[in-house]
Amino acid sequence: DIQMTQSPSSLSASVGDRVTITCRASQNIGVYLNWYQQKPGKAPQVLIYGASSLQSGVPSRFSGSGSGTDFTLTITSLQPEDFATYHCQQTYTTPRTFGQGTKVEVK
Amino acid sequence: QVQLQESGPGLVKPSQTLSLTCTVSGGSISSSGYYWSWIRQQSGKGLEWIAYIHYNGDTYYNLSLKSRVIMSVDTSKNQFSLKLSSVTAADTAVYYCARYDSVAYRTFDYWGQGALVTVSS
Repeated sequence: DIQMTQSPSSLSASVGDRVTITCRASQNIGVYLNWYQQKPGKAPQVLIYGASSLQSGVPSRFSGSGSGTDFTLTITSLQPEDFATYHCQQTYTTPRTFGQGTKVEVK
Repeated sequence: QVQLQESGPGLVKPSQTLSLTCTVSGGSISSSGYYWSWIRQQSGKGLEWIAYIHYNGDTYYNLSLKSRVIMSVDTSKNQFSLKLSSVTAADTAVYYCARYDSVAYRTFDYWGQGALVTVSS
């Protein structure tokens, strides 16, 4: 199985901050990497697909980059509604595996 | 707008079988290019993909759970189901059904609200 490792597991930030979350795959997955946002008590929602493509309706302050084994999700100018948990997920092969999640909390 | 809704018992006894059904509305489960999925999340932990099924019956399982999992699809009811046998407390989780787009974006693009299943005697 491809292991997905996110860092950090949690971070504290303030509104307006730039936030960066990383995801590392245990083997080369090309650009087959998605990012999801999950709020408490809710299902995850797609933010980024194909490592860097913004899902329709997602604000442009979210961006993704990377290829191979190392990927980054960046939120420029964090907004109040962005405090949530973020998950990466590889879609290169089955089993479809997720990172352990990164919780973005209020500083 | 596609919507998914999980249903099933919220409490299952150890060693018994967990059974959940997902009802799809706003779209056909028989649409080509989509796989219908089960994903779970144990409290405070990450997401774990369990399995997914195509309407033609083509099924992929997480090998770590495959020996205990059966998935099925009922196109006449626009539903798909999960059975997980020999459950233990470790199977306590929120179970989500979701649609996987295998052609365009390769994402889990629509999700149910989640169903909490507790394994306890």
